[in-house]
Amino acid sequence: QQQVKQSPQSLIVQKGGISIINCAYENTAFDYFPWYQQFPGKGPALLIAIRPDVSEKKEGRFTISFNKSAKQFSLHIMDSQPGDSATYFCAASNSGGSNYKLTFGKGTLLTVNP
Amino acid sequence: GAGVSQSPSNKVTEKGKDVELRCDPISGHTALYWYRQRLGQGLEFLIYFQGNSAPDKSGLPSDRFSAERTGESVSTLTIQRTQQEDSAVYLCASSLGRAGPYEQYFGPGTRLTVT
Repeated sequence: QQQVKQSPQSLIVQKGGISIINCAYENTAFDYFPWYQQFPGKGPALLIAIRPDVSEKKEGRFTISFNKSAKQFSLHIMDSQPGDSATYFCAASNSGGSNYKLTFGKGTLLTVNP
Repeated sequence: GAGVSQSPSNKVTEKGKDVELRCDPISGHTALYWYRQRLGQGLEFLIYFQGNSAPDKSGLPSDRFSAERTGESVSTLTIQRTQQEDSAVYLCASSLGRAGPYEQYFGPGTRLTVT
């Protein structure tokens, strides 16, 4: 059972455009939602994270929108740049659980064309 | 400071052989995780260590997989009698654990190829 569903699988955006990646979760105990960026041959790097007590968090060009009732959250990349081309993973965890293991979506391969 | 390091970066082994992968977490991070990333897939949780507590092994796919950690330092993931389906990138992450915050920082991974 996949607990975090991510879409789209791949995304092509023109430079300067907005990239939007969506995730949906099933486990209502999840209370921490990070996004990771992964370049080929590298480990995932934490990009931005949100907790369900806020509906939006912005850091530079990256914004997470969170809809608790719909159990959905999304990543928006404004003014997308070719350097943003990477695979993006959403994840979720239950910080009140016995550990903080992350449950990941399957990833979105973002290509930003110059 | 230094990030999470893993070795080797690449490992090619023959089916049936044992392999050992190493992870050096960020100094001061009490929590350590192992994940597996198959080609084109998200990361699957394998095992979690928190200080000297008993590890959470709930993600290990079979008894051929085991891991150890000495205190709050280095961890090794061992795969015995490797199978072709074990081919993947094995990622290690560390965090401050229960002391918070919960952010996990990943190493570059070990790419394991079983021939």
